[in-house]
Amino acid sequence: ILNVEQSPQSLHVQEGDSTNFTCSFPSSNFYALHWYRWETAKSPEALFVMTLNGDEKKKGRISATLNTKEGYSYLYIKGSQPEDSATYLCAPSTGGFKTIFGAGTRLFVKA
Amino acid sequence: EAGVAQSPRYKIIEKRQSVAFWCNPISGHATLYWYQQILGQGPKLLIQFQNNGVVDDSQLPKDRFSAERLKGVDSTLKIQPAKLEDSAVYLCASSSAGGTEAFFGQGTRLTVV
Repeated sequence: ILNVEQSPQSLHVQEGDSTNFTCSFPSSNFYALHWYRWETAKSPEALFVMTLNGDEKKKGRISATLNTKEGYSYLYIKGSQPEDSATYLCAPSTGGFKTIFGAGTRLFVKA
Repeated sequence: EAGVAQSPRYKIIEKRQSVAFWCNPISGHATLYWYQQILGQGPKLLIQFQNNGVVDDSQLPKDRFSAERLKGVDSTLKIQPAKLEDSAVYLCASSSAGGTEAFFGQGTRLTVV
């Protein structure tokens, strides 16, 4: 894995808005993909791990999908709340167990 | 279970000084990572250990950075001498195996002035 791209870099939304982010990665030698949530002054925490093409995971208002053939994953947040404000990091891993982090998408949710 | 412990939380040093960071991973986790996170960027892997052996240190600036995990548990990361561009958050993480979920410490915020 040479390059992981996340977009947008930052996003400002109003409380109640739904939003989504993209993570793009080279599809060769794919092993797994983690999404992490990183709040200011805290440690990054894992949200989801996905391994299979077509995987969909959901936790409350947050869900994610994975397409390993074309090399992308989407993270969706339904009805954003101020407490969702954080940086969302995408981290794909290769079969050699190397994990590369994207630069993250910084989400700001205004009440 | 106890999480990943790092110290210190904050450190301010002058350029050309030395600094060391310490990490105690989750008990039983064989894989330990050191990441550097510069403001506005994603975490960059500096070094990955499997027990006390180095798996990947390709992005570690070896002229000034060093890391060790002598007994396969705790790890230290050292910078000698520090440069202004080393100002960053240094995150330690551990996992039960490479490629699986990583658990992060709270990081050490280094400011080089």
